[in-house]
Amino acid sequence: KAGVTQTPRYLIKTRGQQVTLSCSPISGHRSVSWYQQTPGQGLQFLFEYFSETQRNKGNFPGRFSGRQFSNSRSEMNVSTLELGDSALYLCASSLAPTNGREKLFFGSGTQLSVL
Amino acid sequence: GQNIDQPTEMTATEGAIVQINCTYQTSGFNGLFWYQQHAGEAPTFLSYNVLDGLEEKGRFSSFLSRSKGYSYLLLKELQMKDSASYLCAVRDDLSGTYKYIFGTGTRLKVLA
Repeated sequence: KAGVTQTPRYLIKTRGQQVTLSCSPISGHRSVSWYQQTPGQGLQFLFEYFSETQRNKGNFPGRFSGRQFSNSRSEMNVSTLELGDSALYLCASSLAPTNGREKLFFGSGTQLSVL
Repeated sequence: GQNIDQPTEMTATEGAIVQINCTYQTSGFNGLFWYQQHAGEAPTFLSYNVLDGLEEKGRFSSFLSRSKGYSYLLLKELQMKDSASYLCAVRDDLSGTYKYIFGTGTRLKVLA
């Protein structure tokens, strides 16, 4: 069974640009969540999607947005990039929304560098 | 507020035992998870505790005390491949919607 796939693996952008990251969950998983990981802050929750609906959202500005498609694949978009957006963006999938013993399966992430 | 604390770095010797502590403050505790993350790789699930006590899985054990807001991950018979970051995460129930809150991670170095 293939794991969580994130593309691209690395991305370099300049300030002011926008970027779209993609995540394909494990087959059969319908819940996808996104996290930003930086050395000082650890993993910060961005949002969670289930059945194409956003269920939960973290404390990030509106420049960060996401969506989920009918095949459970998800994308996140960051507009008007800032230097502080440089981070590893991790996607995680699970069978159902986070509950009970349901654990997260993470992708290897997209390393975004903003110059 | 919501907060998770764990040590930034720890060093131990191959074959030894190491305990990584995690303390947390959350509004609606709904389970504690430990993940392992090797450099440049995805975090992978290690353990889950929702009731007080010890959960053992091979060389790894995890303990939870809900009244103290405290957990630890115990690694026995350390191997070089255990060098990684260990992430403590609490699932918080906020009015019926769940959210994971992660600590900043503990980087463990295992020395020969």
